[in-house]
Amino acid sequence: DVKVTQSSRYLVKRTGEKVFLECVQDMDHENMFWYRQDPGLGLRLIYFSYDVKMKEKGDIPEGYSVSREKKERFSLILESASTNQTSMYLCASSPRTSREQFFGPGTRLTVL
Amino acid sequence: QKEVEQNSGPLSVPEGAIASLNCTYSDRVSQSFFWYRQYSGKSPELIMSIYSNGDKEDGRFTAQLNKASQYVSLLIRDSQPSDSATYLCAVFTGAGSYQLTFGKGTKLSVIP
Repeated sequence: DVKVTQSSRYLVKRTGEKVFLECVQDMDHENMFWYRQDPGLGLRLIYFSYDVKMKEKGDIPEGYSVSREKKERFSLILESASTNQTSMYLCASSPRTSREQFFGPGTRLTVL
Repeated sequence: QKEVEQNSGPLSVPEGAIASLNCTYSDRVSQSFFWYRQYSGKSPELIMSIYSNGDKEDGRFTAQLNKASQYVSLLIRDSQPSDSATYLCAVFTGAGSYQLTFGKGTKLSVIP
């Protein structure tokens, strides 16, 4: 089974802090994605990566950056957390040959 | 702008009935279609993929695709209370993109 893990299930940070969210997948997938999910807004793509050291902006990249130094790991960075970044953050991965995305358990981030 | 539309619900069905969930999409070149189930507080779980016109059955689930009408549906037979969740429709358009476009989901409630 595909396994996507995220570093934390729940996280509480203060405004202005730098926040790191980590995602690791064990299926050698080329593509990895970061989404946020908010009530009424659905899933919104923040960034994705289709290869090591490659990244592409999604629909809402402002206030976020990403890093992919190894194939299995994709990190989301909030440079200076703000209260409007309080959300559920979901990581997903997919193989190059298929567009089926598999999600991690999510990190519920609260910024105070 | 690629759009995927779903009725937000809630859709309530009695236990044992057929639940019918619908999704329309705007981009005619869409190639692949996915249904995800998301329990409250959990991450989306892939339950069905469909790529060509017609029906695809997997246990109690049937996905139906009509590309001419730009319509994809999910039928759940013999609905159980454990099927109560939000169902997300996702569409992949291809054309060099790695992204899925997600609908906002339909909340299904199966009443015992």
